[in-house]
Amino acid sequence: KAGVTQTPRYLIKTRGQQVTLSCSPISGHRSVSWYQQTPGQGLQFLFEYFSETQRNKGNFPGRFSGRQFSNSRSEMNVSTLELGDSALYLCASSLLTTQDTQYFGPGTRLTVL
Amino acid sequence: DQQVKQNSPSLSVQEGRISILNCDYTNSMFDYFLWYKKYPAEGPTFLISISSIKDKNEDGRFTVFLNKSAKHLSLHIVPSQPGDSAVYFCAASDTGGGNKLTFGTGTQLKVEL
Repeated sequence: KAGVTQTPRYLIKTRGQQVTLSCSPISGHRSVSWYQQTPGQGLQFLFEYFSETQRNKGNFPGRFSGRQFSNSRSEMNVSTLELGDSALYLCASSLLTTQDTQYFGPGTRLTVL
Repeated sequence: DQQVKQNSPSLSVQEGRISILNCDYTNSMFDYFLWYKKYPAEGPTFLISISSIKDKNEDGRFTVFLNKSAKHLSLHIVPSQPGDSAVYFCAASDTGGGNKLTFGTGTQLKVEL
């Protein structure tokens, strides 16, 4: 069974631009969560989607948004990029909506110049 | 407020010996705990999990112990192998929070020959 895939793997943007990252979960998984990893803040939860509905949201500004499609694929968008948005963005999928193992993709490395 | 803490940023162990990684949490609502292993620029790889109704879970060389009264969990790796060298994260979730994971800051494990 194929794992979680994320595209693109690497991205370079400039301040003020916007970016869209994509995540395809493991087949059959309907829950998709997004995390940001930075050296200073570690791994932090952004949001979770299940059946096209946002179920949970972390403590990030409104510039960070996401959505999920009917095939469970998910996208996250960051608008008006800031230097501090440079990070590894990770997507994880799971079968259930609680107390379930989340499987992570390889991540998208975003660099904001 | 760091709700999940890994107080040892690094640990060095000889090949064949036991590695013990520790994690403390403060949120008494957490009821599901996971350990992940991570290499740089890759997504975390799931190792083992434990529900709060158990105090031990074992999978091959990996055993996780949970002490709810002390709000402490540990991961034992026996025997340690050079391929185990990576950063290990503990993570926690509560049923009300869906699949939102709160991560510790990680422990860098180095297994030496």
